[in-house]
Amino acid sequence: EVQLVESGGNLVQPGGSLKLSCAASGFTFSGSAIHWVRQASGKGLEWVGRIKSKANTYATAYAASVEGRFTISRDDSKNTAYLQMNSLKTEDTAVYYCTRLRSGSFSFDYWGQGTLVTVSS
Amino acid sequence: DIQMTQSPSSLSPSRGDRVTITCQASQDIKDNLNWYQQKPGKAPKILISGASNLETGVPSRFSGGGSGTYFTFSISSLQPEDIATYYCQQFDILPLTFGGGTKVEIK
Repeated sequence: EVQLVESGGNLVQPGGSLKLSCAASGFTFSGSAIHWVRQASGKGLEWVGRIKSKANTYATAYAASVEGRFTISRDDSKNTAYLQMNSLKTEDTAVYYCTRLRSGSFSFDYWGQGTLVTVSS
Repeated sequence: DIQMTQSPSSLSPSRGDRVTITCQASQDIKDNLNWYQQKPGKAPKILISGASNLETGVPSRFSGGGSGTYFTFSISSLQPEDIATYYCQQFDILPLTFGGGTKVEIK
């Protein structure tokens, strides 16, 4: 069974940092691109960024709203992806989902349950 | 960035009604469009990929169409379990972008 489990969400002050984890199981993690998508309470979905597989040089890309502040990485030996968030702003408050991009169809076929990040003083 | 404009933002049809949602892209995205369903408190679920390809296990009452800049998503006969918010998403060019969502409730 494919599973993605996020962790690390918490309450953090503006300007602070937080690192989210996305633990994967049930599929060949090393061959998959992992994306992060966030959703503020009562709002729509916003793509945050992605990291490709080793075969694709672990290429990363980010939304303009987080570029320079967020960093996505992965440890294929642990089947885990990470989202390092620095210089957090109140507008970064959201549920953060990690999701797998299914190659071929370029759709997000599996999602985690989400982890809540609250940026507030 | 490609803007995805979804309409309507909400609708309240009756059980058994046909529901149609539209999604307009700010530029040509060919058929590089997916549709997701999200129920309250849950992660989104892929329903249709590549504008019109129904995912395995998704009921046939769901369908999608269109290409270029104009896309449609339909539910042929609304069921109570279809109450959710639906999102279109383009994957033609980074950054990936989603429509604003359409909340479907039963009257």
